[in-house]
Amino acid sequence: EIVLTQSPATLSLSPGERATLSCRASQNVVSYLAWYQQKPGQAPRLLIYDVFNRATGIPARFSGGGSGTDFTLTISSLEPEDFAIYYCHQRSNWFPTFGQGTRLEIK
Amino acid sequence: EVHLVESGGGLVQPGGSLRISCSASGFSFSSFGMHWVRQAPGKGLEHVSVIGSNGDSTYYADSVKGRFIISRDNLKNTLYLQMSSLRTEDTAVYYCVKDAFWTGRGWFDSWGQGTLVTVSS
Repeated sequence: EIVLTQSPATLSLSPGERATLSCRASQNVVSYLAWYQQKPGQAPRLLIYDVFNRATGIPARFSGGGSGTDFTLTISSLEPEDFAIYYCHQRSNWFPTFGQGTRLEIK
Repeated sequence: EVHLVESGGGLVQPGGSLRISCSASGFSFSSFGMHWVRQAPGKGLEHVSVIGSNGDSTYYADSVKGRFIISRDNLKNTLYLQMSSLRTEDTAVYYCVKDAFWTGRGWFDSWGQGTLVTVSS
């Protein structure tokens, strides 16, 4: 099983600040890495697929990068609606896995 | 617009069985792989199972292998998860998820709102 480790577990920032979330894979997942956002009481929503591609309707302030085993999700200027939990997800084999999540909270 | 609606969740005793369903609309259901992903209360996401677009290929997490069966009815646009020998650790919200590809090897581009399965005596 490919383990995804997200850091930090919790990130406390203010609206307008830049957020950088990390996801490290225990094996090379090539470019098969996606990011999801989950708000309380809601289902996850796809943000980014295959490292850097924004899903339909996702604002340009969200961007992804990395390759192989190290990936980042960057939110360039935080809006109030961005405070949520973020999960990374790898699909490099038939047994997809998720990271444990990063909680982005208002400072 | 893609619409996924889960149903069939509820309270079941340990060792019991339950079948949950997902009704799909707004896309060509028979053309895409589908998944079940679960989330225990206050915890993260866990992939449970995937089925290819024609139902021929299925895969399961080790935690449910031999106890859960995923299936689909492309004429009814419905995805199923038959769960048996349920354990307390299976308690979770179960999400129906659409894959980006027919194989089921893509990213998860649409999610239902989930159905809660509680395993307790």
